[in-house]
Amino acid sequence: EIVMTQSPATLSVSPGERATLSCRASQSVSSNLAWYQQKPGQAPRLLIYGASTRATGIPARFSGSGSGTEFTLTISSLQSEDFAVYYCHQYNNWPPDTFGQGTKLEIK
Amino acid sequence: EVQLVESGGGLVKPGGSLRLSCAASGFTFSSYSINWVRQAPGKGLECVSSISSSGSYRYYADSVMGRFTISRDNGKNSLYLQMNSLRAEDTAVYYCATDPGSRHYFEYWGQGTLVTVSS
Repeated sequence: EIVMTQSPATLSVSPGERATLSCRASQSVSSNLAWYQQKPGQAPRLLIYGASTRATGIPARFSGSGSGTEFTLTISSLQSEDFAVYYCHQYNNWPPDTFGQGTKLEIK
Repeated sequence: EVQLVESGGGLVKPGGSLRLSCAASGFTFSSYSINWVRQAPGKGLECVSSISSSGSYRYYADSVMGRFTISRDNGKNSLYLQMNSLRAEDTAVYYCATDPGSRHYFEYWGQGTLVTVSS
């Protein structure tokens, strides 16, 4: 089973600044990597799939990059609604697929 | 607008059973693979079961194999999860979520239904 490791566990950033979240896979997942955003009490929302393709309706300030084992989610200018938990998800070797443990993005 | 609405969660004793349902609308249900993804309180995400668009392929995570059964009724735009022999570790919010079939990422999600297994 592929292990997905996200860092940092918590990231404190001020509104308007850039946030960079990392996800590492224990073996190559090619570009079969998705990112989700989850706010308290809500379902996750798909942000990025294929490592870098924004899902429908996702603002351009969200961008994904990477391939193989190293991936990054960048939020270029944080808005108040962006503070949430972010999960990466590999689906290259499904089944099974695996999620990272999440990065909590909090207001500094 | 795509909508997925789960129901059927609740409190059940260890060893008991529950049947979850997911009602879909706003898209061609019969064209999509559908999944059950769960999240234990304060924890991360786990895909526990998947079913292909026709129902011919079904996947179960090791953690639920032999206890859970996924099914769908394309005529009713509905997905089901029969959960038997429930354990405390099955306590979670259960979400239904679509995937495009060609790739197994989760595009649309329901709001979830809480299953609590406790004596």
